[in-house]
Amino acid sequence: QVQLVQSGAEVKKPGASVKVSCRASGYTFTSYYLHWVRQAPGQGLEWMGIIYPGGGSTSYAQKFQGRVTMTRDTSTSTVYMELSSLRSEDTAVFYCARERNRYSIEQGGMDYWGQGTLVTVSS
Amino acid sequence: SSELTQDPAVSVALGQTVRITCQGDSLRNYYASWYQQKPGQAPVNVIYGKNNRPSGIPDRFSGSSSGSTASLTITGAQAEDEADYYCNSRDSSNNHLEVFGTGTKVTVL
Repeated sequence: QVQLVQSGAEVKKPGASVKVSCRASGYTFTSYYLHWVRQAPGQGLEWMGIIYPGGGSTSYAQKFQGRVTMTRDTSTSTVYMELSSLRSEDTAVFYCARERNRYSIEQGGMDYWGQGTLVTVSS
Repeated sequence: SSELTQDPAVSVALGQTVRITCQGDSLRNYYASWYQQKPGQAPVNVIYGKNNRPSGIPDRFSGSSSGSTASLTITGAQAEDEADYYCNSRDSSNNHLEVFGTGTKVTVL
């Protein structure tokens, strides 16, 4: 069965960086795109970016350009999301989610989600 | 970048029908996917494409689209349908990017 297991909660100081991992299992890791989504406390879902584990290509939301880096390790079927220059407003739950089919508008959408990782930014 | 706008909250009587809408220019070219999120849980995909339900999603959930508006309809709402619902689609200005709607809180009375 498809599973996305994320790393544990983090507490960071303003200005620091955080790196969240998402380990995939139950499917061919290199064949499916993975998204990262942020949700601040009491707020909605915010799309951060996407990575293709097959080749490592990425696309980032303009809001996070320059501050976010998404990478992958095919040997462990893990993708990473690193967010730098953290500020208090970055306190949120971060989710990874698998794209069902990036090449088909009819078959798109995020079909499997990780459990979420809470990142708290506080001095 | 694109924006997707949803009504902040709607309510529905138990067993009745509720429609949640999502408006945005990108919906003229791309289908919306819909996600249900309950407190403290990760989102769950309930509709994708023209009107497709993932395995395990009850058939009381359906999707439709017209022009720049996508809709999620719950026919015969149940107490367990009380949740936040989000639409999502590609960005019309750059189809490598995506956007989420602002979210709708559904209350089942």
